[in-house]
Amino acid sequence: KNEVEQSPQNLTAQEGEFITINCSYSVGISALHWLQQHPGGGIVSLFMLSSGKKKHGRLIATINIQEKHSSLHITASHPRDSAVYICAVGFGNEKLTFGTGTRLTIIP
Amino acid sequence: DAGVTQSPTHLIKTRGQQVTLRCSPKSGHDTVSWYQQALGQGPQFIFQYYEEEERQRGNFPDRFSGHQFPNYSSELNVNALLLGDSALYLCASNRSPNYGYTFGSGTRLTVV
Repeated sequence: KNEVEQSPQNLTAQEGEFITINCSYSVGISALHWLQQHPGGGIVSLFMLSSGKKKHGRLIATINIQEKHSSLHITASHPRDSAVYICAVGFGNEKLTFGTGTRLTIIP
Repeated sequence: DAGVTQSPTHLIKTRGQQVTLRCSPKSGHDTVSWYQQALGQGPQFIFQYYEEEERQRGNFPDRFSGHQFPNYSSELNVNALLLGDSALYLCASNRSPNYGYTFGSGTRLTVV
């Protein structure tokens, strides 16, 4: 079993829909990262969480440390949100362990 | 403020050859980590460099080696390339002990 599990693996939605991507992990962590990867590869860090909730524009990330679970929400989704969203966890300054990603496609 | 810079962006090598990939960390960052991302998979940790030393290493063979320079930039070397080494190689930097990472755009290596 992977240490970091994401669901769903693929998600297709209509423009304007509310999107939720889930991440569960099985190890103790210092921080959880939500990352965005567009075709071509470059990764952009969206959020780093150790507790609670963060919001940036239309993106919201939450984490429940006790349940070892995090969610990434996108409100009023737009075709430019189409990308792979990756959850990664780390402990202290150690390596990040990544999920396999959720491929999001927003249809106009 | 420049982020993480990786070079080259794309590379094609022949099986058995050697390759060197380069990474310049974000200004103010002193730690560089390298990851391998196969197609359709999440990145896998190769190793991490801090103070010019390999601090941690993932489950990769000795064909994968690295170096960090006094200016914190880093190189990843892969010897005796295999077809299975074809992947996107990502570099991430942070300032120890802070774990806010910045990622580069990656180097896409194709081994033929």
